[in-house]
Amino acid sequence: AAGVIQSPRHLIKEKRETATLKCYPIPRHDTVYWYQQGPGQDPQFLISFYEKMQSDKGSIPDRFSAQQFSDYHSELNMSSLELGDSALYFCASSHTSGGANEQFFGPGTRLTVL
Amino acid sequence: SQQGEEDPQALSIQEGENATMNCSYKTSINNLQWYRQNSGRGLVHLILIRSNEREKHSGRLRVTLDTSKKSSSLLITASRAADTASYFCATDRARGGGADGLTFGKGTHLIIQP
Repeated sequence: AAGVIQSPRHLIKEKRETATLKCYPIPRHDTVYWYQQGPGQDPQFLISFYEKMQSDKGSIPDRFSAQQFSDYHSELNMSSLELGDSALYFCASSHTSGGANEQFFGPGTRLTVL
Repeated sequence: SQQGEEDPQALSIQEGENATMNCSYKTSINNLQWYRQNSGRGLVHLILIRSNEREKHSGRLRVTLDTSKKSSSLLITASRAADTASYFCATDRARGGGADGLTFGKGTHLIIQP
């Protein structure tokens, strides 16, 4: 079965640079979610989009923005990167209009900020 | 404060034994989900239990939910070495309308000794 696709899988950036992470949800899923997981930490919810509109917002820094496109893929844009942004970034998708919030996660993008 | 708290934080058992992990949460929920994560890898969805359900089974997994105590348990029967991983519970916020971000607990690190 098709899963959530994330790219790139690994990314190395310098402080103050920008980064763009991409997420392709499971086919027919209408909602995407972004999470950040620091080393040894639990995942923290950043933001979600349902049918291309922002749906829920968590602890997303103002330096980050995201959007969902007409083909339902999503991009997380991160600017003015800081050392503390080094983490695993997960995208998840769900079929919200189907009635359940069962979220399926991608393999993650490991971001290292030097 | 953390919505979900897992107990114990670490658990080491012999292969073939049963493993039980507990999760507590603080606010009303629509559903509770359990995930497995191998070190540094993606989150694998295990099971979702709705707030109006008390028990759910999937293969060797048994999940219970007690909304009056705001707690859930995950039982893995006949454990295998491949079950070694971190296990997280995750809850939504019962906002209604779906697409809620999940709040994860700190996780239980399970080690199955061969």
